[in-house]
Amino acid sequence: AQTVTQSQPEMSVQEAETVTLSCTYDTSENNYYLFWYKQPPSRQMILVIRQEAYKQQNATENRFSVNFQKAAKSFSLKISDSQLGDTAMYFCAFMKPDQGGSEKLVFGKGTKLTVNP
Amino acid sequence: EPEVTQTPSHQVTQMGQEVILRCVPISNHLYFYWYRQILGQKVEFLVSFYNNEISEKSEIFDDQFSVERPDGSNFTLKIRSTKLEDSAMYFCASVWTGPYGYTFGSGTRLTVV
Repeated sequence: AQTVTQSQPEMSVQEAETVTLSCTYDTSENNYYLFWYKQPPSRQMILVIRQEAYKQQNATENRFSVNFQKAAKSFSLKISDSQLGDTAMYFCAFMKPDQGGSEKLVFGKGTKLTVNP
Repeated sequence: EPEVTQTPSHQVTQMGQEVILRCVPISNHLYFYWYRQILGQKVEFLVSFYNNEISEKSEIFDDQFSVERPDGSNFTLKIRSTKLEDSAMYFCASVWTGPYGYTFGSGTRLTVV
């Protein structure tokens, strides 16, 4: 079974600075997908960024980028120019493609990020 | 942008009572999921549903839980006899194709007293 580990329960950063959230995972699969989800105080689950394991190029979405190290099974999230609205829980998640009708997400325990003014 | 709608947003129920959590998925999506998040903990997979049947369920999804899509639009999660430990946030997700189409609802907070 796949596992996802987020070793930083809480982090804080000053507004406009850069912060990196760590995630490691364990799998024997070669083809899979990785995600970062943001959960603000409203508890809504919001997709931040996704990475396909077969792509060597790291995904980028505006101020959010990842450092995907497949051999090391590491998938960190970098937030540049942090904004107060980035304050949230961040969950790393793993998905194994499945043609049988179930492509579940396996989540880590989350990192609570606080952006300070 | 299409949304997944969950009702109610918050439900309080007595231990031992039955509850039904409702979800309206996005209309052209094919795969539906329920996840649970106990307060302060990680989000956990409960069950996936495709082609009008359960395609996978977790160890959490025991005989007290059931899902159905009664009318082709709603997707419901029923807990037959609630326990205190069922208190959690329950998220419905509607999916076109797994890696690219996951849309979560805003969740139902279930409190069992």
